[in-house]
Amino acid sequence: QVQLQESGPGLVKPSGTLSLTCAVSGGSISSSNWWSWVRQPPGKGLEWIGEIYHSGSTNYNPSLKSRITISVDKSKKQFSLKVRSVTAADTAVYYCARIVGCTNGICLYYFDYWGQGTLVTVSS
Amino acid sequence: EIVMTQSPATLSVSPGERATLSCRASQSVSSNLAWYQQKPGQAPRLLIYGASTRATRTPARFSGSGSGTEFTLTISSLQSEDFAVYYCQHYNNWPLTFGGGTKVEIK
Repeated sequence: QVQLQESGPGLVKPSGTLSLTCAVSGGSISSSNWWSWVRQPPGKGLEWIGEIYHSGSTNYNPSLKSRITISVDKSKKQFSLKVRSVTAADTAVYYCARIVGCTNGICLYYFDYWGQGTLVTVSS
Repeated sequence: EIVMTQSPATLSVSPGERATLSCRASQSVSSNLAWYQQKPGQAPRLLIYGASTRATRTPARFSGSGSGTEFTLTISSLQSEDFAVYYCQHYNNWPLTFGGGTKVEIK
């Protein structure tokens, strides 16, 4: 059973950098899956942030692309998110999630495992 | 970017009744659509993928249908544990996008 666990500061100052890490257990981070970040502002819907493959290939949401970096550390079985120049609009529960990925030429980019989520508040 | 629109925003249903949730895509996503259930304070949980394939541990009372731009999630007989918010998500291309959600509440 794959398990994902987010960690990082719960409070970030405006104009600062939000940094989160997701630890992967119960499965290989070097499998055919992609590893993703999704966020949810309080009381609102879900927004895909971006994803990374174990090779380091990434796809980012164009609305956030200029401010985000997703990286992977295979030796630690974890992947990370950095969001720069944060504002109050970046306050949200941040989830890490596994994307099914591609097998035998069939690519499926839906989320089959999720972390529990971590609330990050941007405030001075 | 493909915009996903869900309706209604809130659905009031009595236990044991049928619930029908709609999701519309701004352009065709073929059958590359998933449905998720989210309860308060919890992460979303995958229910349906490929528009109509139930995920492991999804009860048979949940069914998905549709292709192209129009999709439906049906809960045949609502149980107490089904009252939650439901999201659709397309995965036809990037960026991946979600609908705004439908809250299924007790009538």
